[in-house]
Amino acid sequence: DAGVIQSPRHEVTEMGQEVTLRCKPISGHNSLFWYRQTMMRGLELLIYFNNNVPIDDSGMPEDRFSAKMPNASFSTLKIQPSEPRDSAVYFCASTLSNQGGEQYFGPGTRLTVT
Amino acid sequence: SQKIEQNSEALNIQEGKTATLTCNYTNYSPAYLQWYRQDPGRGPVFLLLIRENEKEKRKERLKVTFDTTLKQSLFHITASQPADSATYLCALAPGGTASKLTFGTGTRLQVTL
Repeated sequence: DAGVIQSPRHEVTEMGQEVTLRCKPISGHNSLFWYRQTMMRGLELLIYFNNNVPIDDSGMPEDRFSAKMPNASFSTLKIQPSEPRDSAVYFCASTLSNQGGEQYFGPGTRLTVT
Repeated sequence: SQKIEQNSEALNIQEGKTATLTCNYTNYSPAYLQWYRQDPGRGPVFLLLIRENEKEKRKERLKVTFDTTLKQSLFHITASQPADSATYLCALAPGGTASKLTFGTGTRLQVTL
């Protein structure tokens, strides 16, 4: 298995632009998580899906952030409009929910908003 | 509010020694606790999971303890090697399927020759 796939790996954009991050979970996994990691705040859960349904989005910082999971093999995290404080590494992780919860992380997308 | 604390200072140890990392938590009753390893520029990698009714779990050179009275987990790496140098994160989950993990900020371990 290729593991969790994220794209792009790096994104540099200007303030005010729309940013879309993409994730392909491990085949057969039914839960998907989006995290944000910064030096100041560490690894924070933004939102997670179970069987393509959003379960908890309490970590989404504000209305500028939105996430979708149209099918079991694809999810997006969108930021519109982007701001410099959104600069961080964004990770996607997946798991098979009945196997104790260990999560498999993708390589992350490093986002820089100038 | 819920809080997970890991030593923010780097832990430097000599090759061959045992490294011990600490994870303390407050205002939380996790059903289980996980440890992850993260290398620079990469996503976290799962290492071990321990449940609330387990005192200790081992995997090769790794050992995790979980004391729900002290609200503390200790993570040990025996016979440490330079390849063990990384940041180690603890994560707590309330239980249930597809559990929501809350991560600590991690401790950087540096193993020197």
